[in-house]
Amino acid sequence: EAQVTQNPRYLITVTGKKLTVTCSQNMNHEYMSWYRQDPGLGLRQIYYSMNVEVTDKGDVPEGYKVSRKEKRNFPLILESPSPNQTSLYFCASSLEGISYNSPLHFGNGTRLTVT
Amino acid sequence: GQQLNQSPQSMFIQEGEDVSMNCTSSSIFNTWLWYKQEPGEGPVLLIALYKAGELTSNGRLTAQFGITRKDSFLNISASIPSDVGIYFCAGPSTDNYGQNFVFGPGTRLSVLP
Repeated sequence: EAQVTQNPRYLITVTGKKLTVTCSQNMNHEYMSWYRQDPGLGLRQIYYSMNVEVTDKGDVPEGYKVSRKEKRNFPLILESPSPNQTSLYFCASSLEGISYNSPLHFGNGTRLTVT
Repeated sequence: GQQLNQSPQSMFIQEGEDVSMNCTSSSIFNTWLWYKQEPGEGPVLLIALYKAGELTSNGRLTAQFGITRKDSFLNISASIPSDVGIYFCAGPSTDNYGQNFVFGPGTRLSVLP
């Protein structure tokens, strides 16, 4: 089944403790992206990747890192999490970036709480 | 950066009623997308619009790409309980070399039996 898989689904951590949220897609998509969702703000892009070893900042990249060593994986790294990073995170992928008939496919989300 | 506004923020309707929601922007978009998010899941694409004035249907859903390119509308006919969720409009931003989707804040739909 074609899908975007995120792990974990739920994560509670403390301020300053490094964490990684994994994202994997099995559709051979070139484009992958991370979003955070906060009440009343919709989805805001954190980072995106056009292809292997190519990453770029989105609208809210501060406090986050990403890597794209393989086409299928796009982990989100929080080196020193803070409470304002408590949010619902979504990984998404598309065949060839933002273009005609290349819609985003989303994972089921990771709910992160930083205390 | 570009922003999208959606109205209403939330709506409660009776099963069987028709629903209408809209999405507006102060800047032009060349593509409009409508996504639905159900509780505990990621957004799922419902309809994609690529031309100004375009009217596209997907079952009971109909969406229109506004002539000004600054708005879009989504209508749901004869609502049913499984229509419950948050509906987002989205479009490719002209920032970040056009590689960012901008999402609206969503319209939360509740359907009362």
